[in-house]
Amino acid sequence: DQQVKQNSPSLSVQEGRISILNCDYTNSMFDYFLWYKKYPAEGPTFLISISSIKDKNEDGRFTVFLNKSAKHLSLHIVPSQPGDSAVYFCAAISSGGGADGLTFGKGTHLIIQP
Amino acid sequence: EPEVTQTPSHQVTQMGQEVILRCVPISNHLYFYWYRQILGQKVEFLVSFYNNEISEKSEIFDDQFSVERPDGSNFTLKIRSTKLEDSAMYFCASSVESGANVLTFGAGSRLTVL
Repeated sequence: DQQVKQNSPSLSVQEGRISILNCDYTNSMFDYFLWYKKYPAEGPTFLISISSIKDKNEDGRFTVFLNKSAKHLSLHIVPSQPGDSAVYFCAAISSGGGADGLTFGKGTHLIIQP
Repeated sequence: EPEVTQTPSHQVTQMGQEVILRCVPISNHLYFYWYRQILGQKVEFLVSFYNNEISEKSEIFDDQFSVERPDGSNFTLKIRSTKLEDSAMYFCASSVESGANVLTFGAGSRLTVL
């Protein structure tokens, strides 16, 4: 039962262009969404988040868009840089549930080509 | 920058053996978590811990698993009798608050059960 789905296992983007990573969720109780980035041999590191009361959150080169009606969110990286090459995990949580665990997607491996 | 540290980075064990994975969360964090990632699969929530007791656990966290905070700094995950399917990367994480707050992950401990 995949409550958080990242349907693209990998994505290749040219340096300087926009990278768009997509995520879909099925659980309507989720009200907070996060993107984590993971390099090999390291743990996931927090990148950006968005609450369900917003439809957009921007932090530098990173913007997350949330479409609640479609249960879809996306992460935009512009311009893409070589250091952005990593696995990106979408995660979701129902914030009203106390110390609940995050539900992660399977990840998308972003490859930035020079 | 404060970080979550995990030891060992890699442990190889025989099926049926007990394993203890150790974590030192960030010192002012109050909530502690274990997640795991089986190779090629998504990161999965195992357990959350607050105020010296389990707050929530997933279906994966059966009687073979236990967590402990034996002193003021360490947070351990014990697997009593390892199975082949326990082979995975185990991530410890901590956070200041519960629920939707950002987690800081450690680099992970790779467990290989032979």
